[in-house]
Amino acid sequence: EVQLVESGGGLVQPGGSLRLSCAASGFTFSRYWMQWVRQAPGKGLVWVSRINDEGITTNYADSVKGRFTISRDNAKDTAFLLMNSLTAEDTAVYYCAREGGHGDAAVDYWGQGVLVTVSS
Amino acid sequence: SYELTQPPSVSVSPGQAASITCSGDKLGDKYACWYQQRPGQSPVLVIYQDTKRPSGIPERISGSNSGNTATLTISGTQAVDEADYYCQTWDSGTVVFGGGTKLTVL
Repeated sequence: EVQLVESGGGLVQPGGSLRLSCAASGFTFSRYWMQWVRQAPGKGLVWVSRINDEGITTNYADSVKGRFTISRDNAKDTAFLLMNSLTAEDTAVYYCAREGGHGDAAVDYWGQGVLVTVSS
Repeated sequence: SYELTQPPSVSVSPGQAASITCSGDKLGDKYACWYQQRPGQSPVLVIYQDTKRPSGIPERISGSNSGNTATLTISGTQAVDEADYYCQTWDSGTVVFGGGTKLTVL
């Protein structure tokens, strides 16, 4: 069974940093692109970042470019999202997601999400 | 940057067909997919590559994509279909979501 389990969320002050982790199991992690998607309370889904299977190619939404860094450790089946210079606008549930490999960036598995709250 | 536009809400009577549109410049030249999200739950992929259904998704859910519009159609809508629906595509390596449509089954 495919599982994605996020951790590392919580309350952080504006300007602070946080690193999210996504532990994957039930599939060959090193063969799949991974994404982070966020959802502010009561709002829609917003794409944040994606990384290729080898961890070499990364893409970012304009709103997080230069502040967030996606990475992965294929030996530990884990993806990461390092978030710096956080603002209140970054408050959201952050989902770790696996692309299905169909060439259209569609996500076939999602984690349960982890809440990040940026507030003083 | 690329944008996808969805109607905020769609209402349908039980047993009727519901259509949710997703508009973007030359969207038909790209792949579109759709997600269903029920309250308090993670999204679920219901359509990928414009028209394909993942395993476990009922046949009454279908998709199309042509011109500037992708469409998700639910035939014989049931109460269980009441949820938020999001379209998604990707362009130049970046992923784009539509704003979401709340489907209400009256």
